[in-house]
Amino acid sequence: QKEVEQDPGPLSVPEGAIVSLNCTYSNSAFQYFMWYRQYSRKGPELLMYTYSSGNKEDGRFTAQVDKSSKYISLFIRDSQPSDSATYLCAPQTGANNLFFGTGTRLTVIP
Amino acid sequence: KAGVTQTPRYLIKTRGQQVTLSCSPISGHRSVSWYQQTPGQGLQFLFEYFSETQRNKGNFPGRFSGRQFSNSRSEMNVSTLELGDSALYLCASSLEAAAGELFFGEGSRLTVL
Repeated sequence: QKEVEQDPGPLSVPEGAIVSLNCTYSNSAFQYFMWYRQYSRKGPELLMYTYSSGNKEDGRFTAQVDKSSKYISLFIRDSQPSDSATYLCAPQTGANNLFFGTGTRLTVIP
Repeated sequence: KAGVTQTPRYLIKTRGQQVTLSCSPISGHRSVSWYQQTPGQGLQFLFEYFSETQRNKGNFPGRFSGRQFSNSRSEMNVSTLELGDSALYLCASSLEAAAGELFFGEGSRLTVL
């Protein structure tokens, strides 16, 4: 079983839609839950992160963690064409940066 | 503040050759990690260096090696290249070891023919 499983997509939505991106993980030691965004031909960049369970909101983005079910979600409200990118979940223990999901490619159609 | 710089950006090699990739971290960052990114496997951890010492190593064969210099710059080397080594190799730096936000370079795209 892989440490992190992510819905591979690709996902294509119309502009203004709500997007849900999801990952599951197996390691109970994960404490930090990061989301990276990667534009085409660029390296990933940190979008947001949460610590332990709960929700965190940053503008149109909401990260949600349910440690009881080992489920991680990223919601994008009012999606924009500029949100078109690959989104990678990255749960971490705090002692290493070893694990990334395979990424979900999102396309927002104007 | 300059970001993470990786060179070369693109390169083509043939099977059996070796390749060296270079990474200059953000000034002041002491940790450098390397990742291999392929469409099928996603981002896979290769190794991490902190203060010239390898802290962690991923599940890759010994053909993959790296090092870090006293100025925090890092190199990774792949010997006896195989077709399956074709990938985007990403370097990331962070202030401290294995914690916090990773700042990625744009990667070195290696094609093995």
